[in-house]
Amino acid sequence: DIQMTQSPSSLSASVGDRVTITCRASQAISNHLAWFQQKPGKAPKSLIYGASSLQSGVPSKFSGSGSGTDFTLTINSLQPEDFATYYCQQLHTFPRTFGQGTRVEIK
Amino acid sequence: EVQLVESGGGLVKPGGSLRLSCAASGFTLSNYGVNWVRQAPGKGLEWVSYISSSAIYIYYADSVKGRFTISRDNARNEVYLQMESLRAEDTAVYYCAREEVWPINVDFWGQGTLVTVSP
Repeated sequence: DIQMTQSPSSLSASVGDRVTITCRASQAISNHLAWFQQKPGKAPKSLIYGASSLQSGVPSKFSGSGSGTDFTLTINSLQPEDFATYYCQQLHTFPRTFGQGTRVEIK
Repeated sequence: EVQLVESGGGLVKPGGSLRLSCAASGFTLSNYGVNWVRQAPGKGLEWVSYISSSAIYIYYADSVKGRFTISRDNARNEVYLQMESLRAEDTAVYYCAREEVWPINVDFWGQGTLVTVSP
C-alpha cells in the first residue's frame, strides 16, 4: 500500500499569513493527488485534484503543486474560514490512502 | 443542485449488520464511481471501498474485506454498503463521495451517516 505522510501535523498561523502543507507518497503517484478541507462536524470538501487543478468554485488563494512523490498545498492570505484540517489523498491506486491530516489553527 | 445523501446508520451490537445507502440527486450517478470513506471519532479519514460506474471494478480496504460489500443500483441512483460482522472499531461517520474517471477526481461528498457499534 502507498503511505501518505503529511507535514506538519498541525500549525498555528495568523489571518493574512501564507501557509504551506506538504504531502509525501511512499512511491511515485504521478499527479494523482487530491486535497480536501474539513471543518469540525462537517463533511470533507474537495479543493484540488490532479495535484494542481482547482475544483470549481474553490478560490484561487488555494494552490497545489508537485508530481511523483512530493506535493504541496499553499493557502495565500489565510482567512478565518480557512482554519480547518486539510488532508491529501492518493488516487493512483487501490487501496486509496489519505495523509493523517494537517490542522490549521489560529495563532 | 448536486446532492449525495447517506442513510442507514445507527447503533448496532458487535457482530451485527447494517446497510448504508448513498442516494444521489441533481446528477446521474451512473456516470461516476463512488467511494465510501469513514472517520472514527476524533480521527482522520480512512478509505473503505470503491465501486466503478458499471460495477465492474470493486475494491475494499483490508480492514473491511470479507465483511463489507459495496453495490449499486443505477436505476435508483443509489450506492450501498452492506456491513456484516461489525466490530467496535467500525464505529465512525461514513461518507460517500463521487469520483470522475478521467481526470481522476473525487469532487463531491455527502454529509455522512454515523455508525456506532457498541454492546
